[in-house]
Amino acid sequence: EAQVTQNPRYLITVTGKKLTVTCSQNMNHEYMSWYRQDPGLGLRQIYYSMNVEVTDKGDVPEGYKVSRKEKRNFPLILESPSPNQTSLYFCASSSLRTETYEQYFGPGTRLTVT
Amino acid sequence: SQQGEEDPQALSIQEGENATMNCSYKTSINNLQWYRQNSGRGLVHLILIRSNEREKHSGRLRVTLDTSKKSSSLLITASRAADTASYFCATLQGGGSYIPTFGRGTSLIVHP
Repeated sequence: EAQVTQNPRYLITVTGKKLTVTCSQNMNHEYMSWYRQDPGLGLRQIYYSMNVEVTDKGDVPEGYKVSRKEKRNFPLILESPSPNQTSLYFCASSSLRTETYEQYFGPGTRLTVT
Repeated sequence: SQQGEEDPQALSIQEGENATMNCSYKTSINNLQWYRQNSGRGLVHLILIRSNEREKHSGRLRVTLDTSKKSSSLLITASRAADTASYFCATLQGGGSYIPTFGRGTSLIVHP
């Protein structure tokens, strides 16, 4: 089954404790991205990647890191989480070969930073 | 930056009624996509309309695009309680962009 998986689905952590949210897709998609969703603000892009070893900042990259060492994986790293990073996070992927760039989303990771 | 803006922000209707939500955008686009999000879940692609198309249908969904007004509408006919969700438009800007820009969404509640 074609899918995007994220782990963990729920995470409660404390300020400053480094964490990683994993994202993996099995569709051989070139493009992967991370979004955060906050009430009233919609989806805001954090980082995106066009292919292995190619990453770029989105609209709200501060406080986040990403890496793309393999095509299927695109982890999101919070080196020193702060309470304003409490949010619902989504990973998404799409093929760059179809020219429609339909996005496939993961199930989401709800992060709470206390 | 958010290109698409959905209207209304919230819509409440009875089962069997039609639901219409609109999306306006600012710059020229390559295509426009509509997504659905059930509460707290990931977005799911519903339908795509290209800039050279004016109308598209998929089951109970009808999408229109007016590039002169930079707007699109999504019509859900004969709505069901299971249609309760948030609906987002996403635009792919012209000039070869591959990064979709999402609006803030319309929250639809369909009462049984």
